[in-house]
Amino acid sequence: GQNIDQPTEMTATEGAIVQINCTYQTSGFNGLFWYQQHAGEAPTFLSYNVLDGLEEKGRFSSFLSRSKGYSYLLLKELQMKDSASYLCAVRESNYQLIWGAGTKLIIKP
Amino acid sequence: IAGITQAPTSQILAAGRRMTLRCTQDMRHNAMYWYRQDLGLGLRLIHYSNTAGTTGKGEVPDGYSVSRANTDDFPLTLASAVPSQTSVYFCASSDSPDSPTEAFFGQGTRLTVV
Repeated sequence: GQNIDQPTEMTATEGAIVQINCTYQTSGFNGLFWYQQHAGEAPTFLSYNVLDGLEEKGRFSSFLSRSKGYSYLLLKELQMKDSASYLCAVRESNYQLIWGAGTKLIIKP
Repeated sequence: IAGITQAPTSQILAAGRRMTLRCTQDMRHNAMYWYRQDLGLGLRLIHYSNTAGTTGKGEVPDGYSVSRANTDDFPLTLASAVPSQTSVYFCASSDSPDSPTEAFFGQGTRLTVV
């Protein structure tokens, strides 16, 4: 069946680094997305991986291993504004996105 | 309009009533989607449209219908609302179903069915 797993909640300190993991089992694979969602707001795009490896974009990086069904989002130099939920989504062979429940990241001073 | 707009922002609806949630985008995106988001669950796809004139069922389509008469608009209708349809509804669009670029989301509609 289809399943995407992420930790429910994580806590980190301002200025530190945090890694949010995502494991998936889906019907085919056509790319993996990470989105950020602040409370009460719409999700906004962070990254897209379709090939194995690391994609770096400023303070944020995303890694994918298709053989392991695994991805992570790495956030460096954490800022208070990074407090949000981070959503992992996999696009299946039929191009529909399957979403994880999201990881709520709490940043402490 | 810039991007994707949903209306209303929030609504309290009596059970059994009919309701249409509106969604309009001005990016000329081919694909549009309706999701619901419930606490502790991921976004779940209700219906989608890969191009104007076509629609498809997502993961949780029961009790909902959509239409796609043109590129810009993708309304979602609840024919007879039930309390389990209380949720936050997001409309989204993307250039194409298989686009490597992101989907853009509207600001959401918070619906409470009582």
